[in-house]
Amino acid sequence: DTAVSQTPKYLVTQMGNDKSIKCEQNLGHDTMYWYKQDSKKFLKIMFSYNNKELIINETVPNRFSPKSPDKAHLNLHINSLELGDSAVYFCASSHANEKLFFGSGTQLSVL
Amino acid sequence: GNSVTQMEGPVTLSEEAFLTINCTYTATGYPSLFWYVQYPGEGLQLLLKATKADDKGSNKGFEATYRKETTSFHLEKGSVQVSDSAVYFCALRGWSNDYKLSFGAGTTVTVRA
Repeated sequence: DTAVSQTPKYLVTQMGNDKSIKCEQNLGHDTMYWYKQDSKKFLKIMFSYNNKELIINETVPNRFSPKSPDKAHLNLHINSLELGDSAVYFCASSHANEKLFFGSGTQLSVL
Repeated sequence: GNSVTQMEGPVTLSEEAFLTINCTYTATGYPSLFWYVQYPGEGLQLLLKATKADDKGSNKGFEATYRKETTSFHLEKGSVQVSDSAVYFCALRGWSNDYKLSFGAGTTVTVRA
C-alpha cells in the first residue's frame, strides 16, 4: 500500500546506455514531479506534470524525457547516460500545489 | 528568483541537546515555507510548514516561525533523540499558484546516544 512507489530502487549501468525509471502513486493526486539529488544531498526539481500536462521543465539535458501516460504515473527515460547523471532520483506527487509525498528514491550509478 | 539558504552541516549532537538549523530565504511577495526531513534510505517527508508571516509550524517537537522581517524560518527542537538523525531541508514555494518548491542544500543531523 505504498503511496508513491518507484522502480528500480538501484540502477547500475554503463555510459551510453538508455534507461527508464518508473513511478506510480495511489494517492489520487493530480501532480507528479521528478527531483534529482546529488552526492551532497542537494535537491533540484527536473520536471512536473499536472493532469498529464507538463508544467515545470527546468534546465535539464534533452536526454531526459518524462512521460505521463496517466495521472497516476510519471516515468523518466534517460538516453545516452553520462557519468554526471549518477545521483538519486526522487519521484513525488501532490494534490495541486499542496504538500509533496516522495518515493524512496532510485539510486542511479553510471560506470 | 526564489532561493533558500540553510546552515551547512553536518551537525552532531548528544541526545537531549537543543537543535537549531538556520534557514533564510529570498523571494518576492509572500512565500510559503516548509521543513522537510529525509531519514536514511527514504524519501523526503513534510515535517512542518507556515504559510504567512508570524505563523509557527510545529510537529514531533520541532518548531519554526515565519519571520518576514528577517526573512527566516529557523528550525528548533528542545531535546533531540537518536531517532531525529536525518537530513533536514528548508523549502520555499513562491506564491499560491506556484507548483515549484525550491529546496535548501540540506543539513545532516546526527544525534548520539
